[in-house]
Amino acid sequence: EIVLTQSPATLSLSPGERATLSCRASQSVSNYLAWYQHKPGQAPRLLIYDSFNRATGIPARFSGSGSGTDFILTIGSLEPEDFAVYYCQQRYSWPDSFGQGTRLEIK
Amino acid sequence: QVQLQGSGPGLVKPSQTLSLTCTVSGGSISSGYYYWSWIRQPAGKGLDWVGRISTTGNTNYNPSLESRVTISVDTSKNHFSLNLTSVTAADTAVYYCARFGSGTTAFDIWGQGTMVTVSS
Repeated sequence: EIVLTQSPATLSLSPGERATLSCRASQSVSNYLAWYQHKPGQAPRLLIYDSFNRATGIPARFSGSGSGTDFILTIGSLEPEDFAVYYCQQRYSWPDSFGQGTRLEIK
Repeated sequence: QVQLQGSGPGLVKPSQTLSLTCTVSGGSISSGYYYWSWIRQPAGKGLDWVGRISTTGNTNYNPSLESRVTISVDTSKNHFSLNLTSVTAADTAVYYCARFGSGTTAFDIWGQGTMVTVSS
């Protein structure tokens, strides 16, 4: 099973700042990586698929990059509603796996 | 648009079977090509993929659960189900149903989640 390691575990930033979240795979996943936003009591929400494609309705401040083993989710200018937990997920190798998450909190 | 709603008992006794259903609304479960999936999240932990069933009936399960899990589809009721046998406290989690889309190739639609506690 491919292990995804996200860093940092917690990121403390202020609204308006830029957020950079990292996801590293234990082996190449090509560009088959997705990012999700998860708020307490809600269902996770797909943000990015296949490394850099924004899902329907996702604001342009969310962008993804990377391939192989190293991936980045960037939130260009944080809005109050962006503070949540973010997960990466790979579909390159079965079984699908998720990272342990990065908690983005208000500083 | 397509929505998913999970349902089932919130409390299951150890050694018994956990059974959950996910009802699909706003579309047919048998149209298109998707994987209808279950994902769980133990308290304070990350997301853990349980398994999936395709619109053609093919199933895949997490190897760590494969001996205990069954996912099935009932097209007449437009829902899919999860059965997990011989549960223990380690199976206590929020269980999400989700659609893995052929277009997005990711879990593009999720249900709200069903909290299941395994306790006597």
